[in-house]
Amino acid sequence: KNEVEQSPQNLTAQEGEFITINCSYSVGISALHWLQQHPGGGIVSLFMLSSGKKKHGRLIATINIQEKHSSLHITASHPRDSAVYICAVPNSGGSNYKLTFGKGTLLTVNP
Amino acid sequence: NAGVTQTPKFQVLKTGQSMTLQCAQDMNHNSMYWYRQDPGMGLRLIYYSASEGTTDKGEVPNGYNVSRLNKREFSLRLESAAPSQTSVYFCASRVSANQPQHFGDGTRLSIL
Repeated sequence: KNEVEQSPQNLTAQEGEFITINCSYSVGISALHWLQQHPGGGIVSLFMLSSGKKKHGRLIATINIQEKHSSLHITASHPRDSAVYICAVPNSGGSNYKLTFGKGTLLTVNP
Repeated sequence: NAGVTQTPKFQVLKTGQSMTLQCAQDMNHNSMYWYRQDPGMGLRLIYYSASEGTTDKGEVPNGYNVSRLNKREFSLRLESAAPSQTSVYFCASRVSANQPQHFGDGTRLSIL
């Protein structure tokens, strides 16, 4: 089974700061997922990436397949970015049907 | 376009009672999933259905059963609820294994 580690567990920032959340996994994969969960809310898929970098607005996700590591960056952070950010990878590196999820990083952005 | 709809949103049960959580998606997705989310733990897969007519166990299937009623609907049944099943349950779907999952809003279930 793929093991997923996220860091940090908790992150507090001031509005406008640049944010980085990290995700490491143990078994080679075909693609990695980043998801967002607002407090008490549902879960939204932000990115699915298999190489390089993807950007959506102020969010940037990068992945290094050789290092088995991905980062999620938020530029010019805003209080509405406050949420739990979750990394997920295929369970066993082969089939993508089952995902293993990290425990999440709780981000709080203060005004 | 509603996406993934879960019912109910909240439920309180007594130990030993049974209930079925309903999930429906209107995106013509092939795969559907049931997860539970507990404090301090990542989402854990209970059961999934890779396609209509198939179901498979996930990481934590004990105490649960599922039915893939048709392509749209995937239900989760607790036959005899236990306090350890107190959790938030999420249903998800996706068109194929190489696409992102779409999640419902969750069902908050408490078992006394």
